[in-house]
Amino acid sequence: NAGVTQTPKFQVLKTGQSMTLQCAQDMNHNSMYWYRQDPGMGLRLIYYSASEGTTDKGEVPNGYNVSRLNKREFSLRLESAAPSQTSVYFCASSEFGRGDGYTFGSGTRLTVV
Amino acid sequence: AQSVTQPDIHITVSEGASLELRCNYSYGATPYLFWYVQSPGQGLQLLLKYFSGDTLVQGIKGFEAEFKRSQSSFNLRKPSVHWSDAAEYFCAVLTGGGNKLTFGTGTQLKVEL
Repeated sequence: NAGVTQTPKFQVLKTGQSMTLQCAQDMNHNSMYWYRQDPGMGLRLIYYSASEGTTDKGEVPNGYNVSRLNKREFSLRLESAAPSQTSVYFCASSEFGRGDGYTFGSGTRLTVV
Repeated sequence: AQSVTQPDIHITVSEGASLELRCNYSYGATPYLFWYVQSPGQGLQLLLKYFSGDTLVQGIKGFEAEFKRSQSSFNLRKPSVHWSDAAEYFCAVLTGGGNKLTFGTGTQLKVEL
């Protein structure tokens, strides 16, 4: 009964390096989301996937790409990391037809030096 | 554009005292509203939600919230705060087109013993 699983939990990158954040959910939810959390700014939506096979930009998509690999998995890629991308990244999934909110993963703390 | 405002960045209360966290939203249609709590180093957990019907909704951990359309507010309350309630609290509104949640900037709650 894992819910939403994010890997890795911590990562340090050098400027210009690339990496992929992984997210998987086991609740058979259709929709998945990537947010970043920065002090004093709350959570801001990076990208989302309303259903398998679709992805759309959120509020802050620049510098990121996503892949909805299948119904369970939604990855976030940083092609060339910048210090401004230092943040805590959260993946979430939802099935609003059931009247629920989001289920969040425990987050990935990323530092770009 | 849809938005959520949490006017209080930090709030400190004594254990056993009552609590009210403020949330104001801007949304054209009937809003779907949520409160989430985030403990240090953790993901976000759903406290309660409002979709329709009774404007006073009950959540987990003894929290409740009241929807007031005339004031565009959805304030979170608890009659008696426990030290374990110290955390960051986020209000959010559901927006259409992918069921995206727009979050407020959060209120950090400190509980004095």
